[in-house]
Amino acid sequence: DTGVSQDPRHKITKRGQNVTFRCDPISEHNRLYWYRQTLGQGPEFLTYFQNEAQLEKSRLLSDRFSAERPKGSFSTLEIQRTEQGDSAMYLCASSLQGGDEQFFGPGTRLTVL
Amino acid sequence: GEDVEQSLFLSVREGDSSVINCTYTDSSSTYLYWYKQEPGAGLQLLTYIFSNMDMKQDQRLTVLLNKKDKHLSLRIADTQTGDSAIYFCAESSPYSGGGADGLTFGKGTHLIIQP
Repeated sequence: DTGVSQDPRHKITKRGQNVTFRCDPISEHNRLYWYRQTLGQGPEFLTYFQNEAQLEKSRLLSDRFSAERPKGSFSTLEIQRTEQGDSAMYLCASSLQGGDEQFFGPGTRLTVL
Repeated sequence: GEDVEQSLFLSVREGDSSVINCTYTDSSSTYLYWYKQEPGAGLQLLTYIFSNMDMKQDQRLTVLLNKKDKHLSLRIADTQTGDSAIYFCAESSPYSGGGADGLTFGKGTHLIIQP
């Protein structure tokens, strides 16, 4: 399968702990996006990378959130000092630069107790 | 800011056509998308339309765009039980979501199929 993959699929953590998620995009895609989806809502854009450069961050991305894409391939999203409000599905998508289509991974569901 | 609105539920009988509607506010939208999300699954891109088009057809799917009214619709012909899902409308523009190509999504329409 050459689609977008995310790991882990589920994560349960206690409030105050740090968590890290990984996204592997489609191999030839140089753009990578992170979104967050809460229950009953559509996905909300968080940030995106073109190759290894993080080009844009949403105002939703608080200082506790950091994303990296060190080699321009996979990306990680870290949340420090998790809060219950961080509970959501975290979605990753990738696309070709200048491409019209974003392809989404299955998501990582985070539950903060 | 940019906003995408959809009705939350649509119920249709199996075999009928489903029409899911969406309105958006950003007149600079370049592409408009329809994604499908089944329970426990990720988002599947169904189809999309460039803003200078007014219609696109792909097998059972027909997308209509009224740019003047900022209205987008998705018609699914011969609706089947496998079409039961949440359908999201999304727009892409230089100003959406703070990203050059970050998408702005609606809240989704739950399509319910009656036997």
